[in-house]
Amino acid sequence: GAVVSQHPSRVICKSGTSVKIECRSLDFQATTMFWYRQFPKQSLMLMATSNEGSKATYEQGVEKDKFLINHASLTLSTLTVTSAHPEDSSFYICSARGTSANTGELFFGEGSRLTVL
Amino acid sequence: LAKTTQPISMDSYEGQEVNITCSHNNIATNDYITWYQQFPSQGPRFIIQGYKTKVTNEVASLFIPADRKSSTLSLPRVSLSDTAVYYCLVGGFYNQGGKLIFGQGTELSVKP
Repeated sequence: GAVVSQHPSRVICKSGTSVKIECRSLDFQATTMFWYRQFPKQSLMLMATSNEGSKATYEQGVEKDKFLINHASLTLSTLTVTSAHPEDSSFYICSARGTSANTGELFFGEGSRLTVL
Repeated sequence: LAKTTQPISMDSYEGQEVNITCSHNNIATNDYITWYQQFPSQGPRFIIQGYKTKVTNEVASLFIPADRKSSTLSLPRVSLSDTAVYYCLVGGFYNQGGKLIFGQGTELSVKP
């Protein structure tokens, strides 16, 4: 199957700093990528939809100025958590849909664990 | 997007067949049904996908009745390594750009 890679897998930062997480589709072009966050023992929560070359669409309740998403190429989307605080500590997961995948199958990255001190 | 309902948890023993049923009463005509498996601190992994009737691959089978309002994931002869959370999702490219909303999932525990 298609491969989606995230980097870094783990990051620890101080409160008030910004952290960037990268999501890459390694063997296919991803016109659309999705960002999720997951708290312990909970399900994945969709944060935003990222479309190549256009602004991301955020789900209700997700602050777009807090979670900056850039999808500058067909293989890379980035999520930047700005001015991070301890409550932003979570597991962030990206997923990508290929250009021909009209069945809705998504390919997920390995996830990035963010810990804000 | 169609909402899904699954049992919160299930227990099984090694070697048994496990069936997890998901309800999706509001599934749309263009929606596909996809099941994912997730281990702790990992991204979800695709298991199987179907539209109607029965689909089988090397790891699971998916049974979908004619009205498509539910689906059942069947895992034959589970092992300890199948202990994970299983998610049923419905959606497709033509429905809100293909975004998938996760329900609560089913936490499967396989015991020796």
